[in-house]
Amino acid sequence: AQKVTQAQTEISVVEKEDVTLDCVYETRDTTYYLFWYKQPPSGELVFLIRRNSFDEQNEISGRYSWNFQKSTSSFNFTITASQVVDSAVYFCALSEAGAGGTSYGKLTFGQGTILTVHP
Amino acid sequence: NAGVTQTPKFRVLKTGQSMTLLCAQDMNHEYMYWYRQDPGMGLRLIHYSVGEGTTAKGEVPDGYNVSRLKKQNFLLGLESAAPSQTSVYFCASSYTDPWANVLTFGAGSRLTVL
Repeated sequence: AQKVTQAQTEISVVEKEDVTLDCVYETRDTTYYLFWYKQPPSGELVFLIRRNSFDEQNEISGRYSWNFQKSTSSFNFTITASQVVDSAVYFCALSEAGAGGTSYGKLTFGQGTILTVHP
Repeated sequence: NAGVTQTPKFRVLKTGQSMTLLCAQDMNHEYMYWYRQDPGMGLRLIHYSVGEGTTAKGEVPDGYNVSRLKKQNFLLGLESAAPSQTSVYFCASSYTDPWANVLTFGAGSRLTVL
């Protein structure tokens, strides 16, 4: 069965520090997608990125970057020069192709990492 | 567009009472989902639907029922609420991209069962 582990329960940094959020996943499928979602204090879930299992290219978007390594089953998320507005809960999630070639988009979430950025 | 709208946003129930959470989406999405969020456990899938008139069980379906009579609405029911069902409930929807969906979430409904 699929599993997503975010071992860091809480991280606290000071503004402008770089911070990396770890995500390790387990799956038997060779075809899958990985996601990161952000949940700010207001409570809604905001999509950040999606990466498929065939594309191990790292991605950078502004201050955000993602490192996908199939060899270690990890999909880590780095925020460079953190800001107070980055304070949120961050979730890593997995969607497998599943039996029959579809999982109907069902996501398996990690436990979440609470990031607090202090001014 | 409103996106995904959940009602009510807050509710307090006594053990044994029943209630229904309503999720409405205006994006013509085929797939809809109900998740619950508990501290330290992330989000867990309760039930989902792949189209009007269909429903299926997720990871934690016990104690809940769902219905999708109209494509735009997905209802989550608690027939006899228990304190263990105290949680924040999120509805989500997506297009029919089989397993690569980006889910759009509602704002959440906080339920407390006393």
